[in-house]
Amino acid sequence: QEQLVESGGGVVQPGGSLRLSCAASGFPFSDHAMHWVRQAPHKGLECVAVVSDHGSDKHYADSVKGRFTVSRNNSVNTLFLMMNSLTSDDTAVYYCAKEASYGPSFVLWGQGTLVTVSS
Amino acid sequence: EIVLTQSPATLSVSPGERAILSCRASQTVGSDLAWYQQKPGQAPRLLIHHAFIRATGIPARFSGSGSGTEFTLTISSLQSEDFAVYHCQQSDKWPFTFGPGTKVDIK
Repeated sequence: QEQLVESGGGVVQPGGSLRLSCAASGFPFSDHAMHWVRQAPHKGLECVAVVSDHGSDKHYADSVKGRFTVSRNNSVNTLFLMMNSLTSDDTAVYYCAKEASYGPSFVLWGQGTLVTVSS
Repeated sequence: EIVLTQSPATLSVSPGERAILSCRASQTVGSDLAWYQQKPGQAPRLLIHHAFIRATGIPARFSGSGSGTEFTLTISSLQSEDFAVYHCQQSDKWPFTFGPGTKVDIK
């Protein structure tokens, strides 16, 4: 059964850092681009970052560029998001999502991990 | 950045009735448009990709149409499990963007 499980969320002070992880199972992880998508409380969805199947190509939303870094380790089927210089605007549920083989639709999602930036 | 606008914001429908949801893009996205369903406390679920192709396991009562800048999601006969928020998403240009969502609730 295909599955994505996020971890690493929590409460962090403004200016702090946090690293999220997303453990994948049940599918060939290295065959798929992977995304981080976030959803602020009672707000819409925002694509934050994407990394290509082998990790060589990465793109970021302007709102996180220069502060967040997406990476992956295909040997352990895990996606990461390193978040630095966090602000209250980064408070959200963070989902990892698998890109479909037929194009950039998000065919599998994790359950999400909540990041709260607060003093 | 491509902006997606969804209408209406809320749609009140009785079970068994048809629901029609709209998504408009600020510039053409071709057919690179997907629809997702999200229930409270859950992650989104892919319903439709490439504007009209149902994802695996999605019932036939869900259908998508449109291209360019105007798209529609139709739910032909609403079931109790269909009351949720529906998001459209474009993948034509990065950053991929979502619409604000349409909430379908019980009339």
